[in-house]
Amino acid sequence: EAGVAQSPRYKIIEKRQSVAFWCNPISGHATLYWYQQILGQGPKLLIQFQNNGVVDDSQLPKDRFSAERLKGVDSTLKIQPAKLEDSAVYLCASRRTSGQDGEQYFGPGTRLTVT
Amino acid sequence: ENQVEHSPHFLGPQQGDVASMSCTYSVSRFNNLQWYRQNTGMGPKHLLSMYSAGYEKQKGRLNATLLKNGSSLYITAVQPEDSATYFCAVEDGGFKTIFGAGTRLFVKA
Repeated sequence: EAGVAQSPRYKIIEKRQSVAFWCNPISGHATLYWYQQILGQGPKLLIQFQNNGVVDDSQLPKDRFSAERLKGVDSTLKIQPAKLEDSAVYLCASRRTSGQDGEQYFGPGTRLTVT
Repeated sequence: ENQVEHSPHFLGPQQGDVASMSCTYSVSRFNNLQWYRQNTGMGPKHLLSMYSAGYEKQKGRLNATLLKNGSSLYITAVQPEDSATYFCAVEDGGFKTIFGAGTRLFVKA
């Protein structure tokens, strides 16, 4: 079974620029998550999709971050404009569905550096 | 506010020892608790899930217990390849997952 794919793996941008990350979850997984992981901390949930609907986006800074999951499969996360404090690893995870075994499958992450 | 706290933040046992770590949580409605392991440069990998207080689970050299507001994880006969950061993650009743900051394990050969 193929794992969760993310691209790019690394990105360096200047503050005020925009950036987009892409995630392809495991086939058949209805639930998709985007997390932000700052160095030395645990992953922080930004947004959770169930198919192509948003389940939770309470911690997504909506003035600059946006995410979509078209057709309930791939997802993109965008930051516009980026700030220095957005430097982090952005992790995508997927799961068969909410409400069952909690196991989430994580991709390798995209390391973003904002200068 | 929902939160998860780990103890200790860092653990440095000798090869062959037992590594012991724990987490405590505060959530409005509890659904399940999961343990993950993360190696440098990679995403977290799920180790096991638990659902109610008193629940115990063994998986290889991992042994975990779910308490009323926390969990303990033991790794027996630790090896250098066990070195990683171990996270406790709690899913609340709204299916939102909260991760703690983790315990960094470094096994000395």
